[in-house]
Amino acid sequence: DVKVTQSSRYLVKRTGEKVFLECVQDMDHENMFWYRQDPGLGLRLIYFSYDVKMKEKGDIPEGYSVSREKKERFSLILESASTNQTSMYLCASSSYQGGISTDTQYFGPGTRLTVL
Amino acid sequence: AQSVTQLDSHVSVSEGTPVLLRCNYSSSYSPSLFWYVQHPNKGLQLLLKYTSAATLVKGINGFEAEFKKSETSFHLTKPSAHMSDAAEYFCVVSVDSGNTGKLIFGQGTTLQVKP
Repeated sequence: DVKVTQSSRYLVKRTGEKVFLECVQDMDHENMFWYRQDPGLGLRLIYFSYDVKMKEKGDIPEGYSVSREKKERFSLILESASTNQTSMYLCASSSYQGGISTDTQYFGPGTRLTVL
Repeated sequence: AQSVTQLDSHVSVSEGTPVLLRCNYSSSYSPSLFWYVQHPNKGLQLLLKYTSAATLVKGINGFEAEFKKSETSFHLTKPSAHMSDAAEYFCVVSVDSGNTGKLIFGQGTTLQVKP
């Protein structure tokens, strides 16, 4: 079974702090994704990565950055946390085979971040 | 551009009665369509996936969905609801035909199951 783990289930930070959210997958997937989930808005894509050191902006990248130094690990960084970044953050991964991305994504349990 | 709309934000059914969660999509090509489920305090789990092989797709836990191109719909059904089906359900469409692996999520439908 694919396993995607996230470093924390719950996190409380103060405004202006730098926040790191970590995600690790164990299936050697090429693609990794960060979403935020808010009530009534579904999941919105923040950033994604096709490969080590590669990243692309999603639909709502403002206020976030990412890092992918190893294939299995994808980090989301809030450079200066703000209260409007209080949300549930979900990481996902999917594979890329023969030049085609398989679109089934596998999700971690999520990190509920509260910024005070 | 691709998009997906879940027509109900909240659905309430009694245990043992049928479930219908409605989803319409918009796509400029033949998309992949998914239903994911999220139980409280859990990550998203894939329920089923349509990829043009068959219009009626069977998923886990007795759920199924029918792809209707003429109606641009992909509604999720289950003949008899169980208390454990209470969760949030997301209808999802692929952004493209495989270049990026990106998905677009609907707003979600909360399913309540009453005893």
